[in-house]
Amino acid sequence: DQQVKQNSPSLSVQEGRISILNCDYTNSMFDYFLWYKKYPAEGPTFLISISSIKDKNEDGRFTVFLNKSAKHLSLHIVPSQPGDSAVYFCAASPPDKLIFGTGTRLQVFP
Amino acid sequence: KAGVTQTPRYLIKTRGQQVTLSCSPISGHRSVSWYQQTPGQGLQFLFEYFSETQRNKGNFPGRFSGRQFSNSRSEMNVSTLELGDSALYLCASSSQGVGTNEKLFFGSGTQLSVL
Repeated sequence: DQQVKQNSPSLSVQEGRISILNCDYTNSMFDYFLWYKKYPAEGPTFLISISSIKDKNEDGRFTVFLNKSAKHLSLHIVPSQPGDSAVYFCAASPPDKLIFGTGTRLQVFP
Repeated sequence: KAGVTQTPRYLIKTRGQQVTLSCSPISGHRSVSWYQQTPGQGLQFLFEYFSETQRNKGNFPGRFSGRQFSNSRSEMNVSTLELGDSALYLCASSSQGVGTNEKLFFGSGTQLSVL
């Protein structure tokens, strides 16, 4: 039973445009979420996080939005750059575990 | 500060064998957690060790086990390997551990192939 879902396995975006990566979760008790980025042959690296007391968090070109009623979060990357091409994982952080989604492969083309 | 180090980088085994993977966390980090990455399944939590004690465990069979040493280095062991165990195994370290909202630092992983 997948508690954190990323329904789009891949996304292709032109350089300079906005990339929107989506993530849904099933447990309304989840109150903290993180996004990690993974390049091939490397481990995931932390990108941005959000607490359920907020509905938005920004860090440079990256913004995460949280819609608690819909149990949905999204990661916006503006403007997208070729170096953003990677696999993005969202994760929920309940007590004592970390639950990842299946990932979305983002490709940014010139 | 050195990052998280995993060895070996690649491993090929046959069904029925056992394997041991190693993870050296960032200096000062007491938590080491392990994950399995397979296509279509994302990253699945195996277990977490904190100060030499297993603190949390995911939904994996008992063939998957681990331990942590006093220097926080951790090993993961898989016994009686099956074809489905072929995956990238990642470890991550942090000061306070998973579920504390603290970000994790991952190693580059060990790619295990079971033939």
